[in-house]
Amino acid sequence: SQELEQSPQSLIVQEGKNLTINCTSSKTLYGLYWYKQKYGEGLIFLMMLQKGGEEKSHEKITAKLDEKKQQSSLHITASQPSHAGIYLCGADYSGNTGKLIFGQGTTLQVKP
Amino acid sequence: DGGITQSPKYLFRKEGQNVTLSCEQNLNHDAMYWYRQDPGQGLRLIYYSQIVNDFQKGDIAEGYSVSREKKESFPLTVTSAQKNPTAFYLCASSIGGWPPQHFGDGTRLSIL
Repeated sequence: SQELEQSPQSLIVQEGKNLTINCTSSKTLYGLYWYKQKYGEGLIFLMMLQKGGEEKSHEKITAKLDEKKQQSSLHITASQPSHAGIYLCGADYSGNTGKLIFGQGTTLQVKP
Repeated sequence: DGGITQSPKYLFRKEGQNVTLSCEQNLNHDAMYWYRQDPGQGLRLIYYSQIVNDFQKGDIAEGYSVSREKKESFPLTVTSAQKNPTAFYLCASSIGGWPPQHFGDGTRLSIL
């Protein structure tokens, strides 16, 4: 959807390197959700961000929501082959329906 | 262990045929969702249900139908009116009012 843009579309990094994935909304978010997907499988929920300036971490993955609540970044520190997969952001614009608009995803490859 | 079971994993549809994808959850979640994923794209919402015996159209409901007769079950029928059904279909569930928290492993539908 043009409401939500995710970048980059794909990323290849050497094991041990840091990386960042961005998710930009054309309008203010009620909440932003990050998921990880392995090819051919379902999504795994990573983190939910709702407050402007909020930052959350899960193992070596950190996600932030900017103060204006229109952009989020996902940062992986010291990447490992287990981090490989497709990362998707989902935007909640309503706050009470459970409906999300998803970005097109970022495919991450980590070279050993 | 609680989770979402989707079946079958692979499904083939003949011209003019309706097919039904199964989704069962034992998480006691009120809300259930059906998404479609095309290659290189994010997820698009087909239908969602916040409570038994009630469901709403998502962004791409044309050519699809659902039912929600039991809390744990939310089957999706892909009708012959859906002219481009080849895709990966994902079912998800959540506590009522919240975006998807758990996903099934998906059903890949192809045309014969």
